[in-house]
Amino acid sequence: EAGVAQSPRYKIIEKRQSVAFWCNPISGHATLYWYQQILGQGPKLLIQFQNNGVVDDSQLPKDRFSAERLKGVDSTLKIQPAKLEDSAVYLCASSWDRGTYEQYFGPGTRLTVT
Amino acid sequence: QQQVKQSPQSLIVQKGGISIINCAYENTAFDYFPWYQQFPGKGPALLIAIRPDVSEKKEGRFTISFNKSAKQFSLHIMDSQPGDSATYFCAASSGGSTLGRLYFGRGTQLTVWP
Repeated sequence: EAGVAQSPRYKIIEKRQSVAFWCNPISGHATLYWYQQILGQGPKLLIQFQNNGVVDDSQLPKDRFSAERLKGVDSTLKIQPAKLEDSAVYLCASSWDRGTYEQYFGPGTRLTVT
Repeated sequence: QQQVKQSPQSLIVQKGGISIINCAYENTAFDYFPWYQQFPGKGPALLIAIRPDVSEKKEGRFTISFNKSAKQFSLHIMDSQPGDSATYFCAASSGGSTLGRLYFGRGTQLTVWP
């Protein structure tokens, strides 16, 4: 079974630029999560999708962050414009369903904002 | 506010020794407590998890001890090996409107010396 795929693996941008991350979850997983992991901290949930609908985006900075999950499979997370404090690893995870707690994480995208 | 508090921040153990990592929480609505293992450049991987209706769960060399009254849980790694050197995160989750949201601790960097 293929795991969660993410791209790119690394990205360096200047502040005020925009950036997008892509995630392909494990086949058949209905729930998809985006987490932000700042260096030295645990991951923090940004947004959670159930199929193609948003079920939890209360911790997403909506003035600069957006995400979509078209057709209930792949997802894209965008930051526009980026700030220095957005430097982090962005992790995508998926699970069979929202009610199943086991989440499987991808390798992440390391973003550096200069 | 940190929902799950984890200690120690770093841990050095000799090969064959026991590694112990502790976590504490306040939210009594939490009903799922997983531990994740993360290697550099990789996403977190689910190691073992417990629900509050049991006090202990063992899988191979890994054991979770859970104390519901004290609102604490811990990970014990028996016969620690150099390959166990990684960052370990405890987490917690509950149902309701935040169903599926994992609250992570800040992580413990474990080093096992050969």
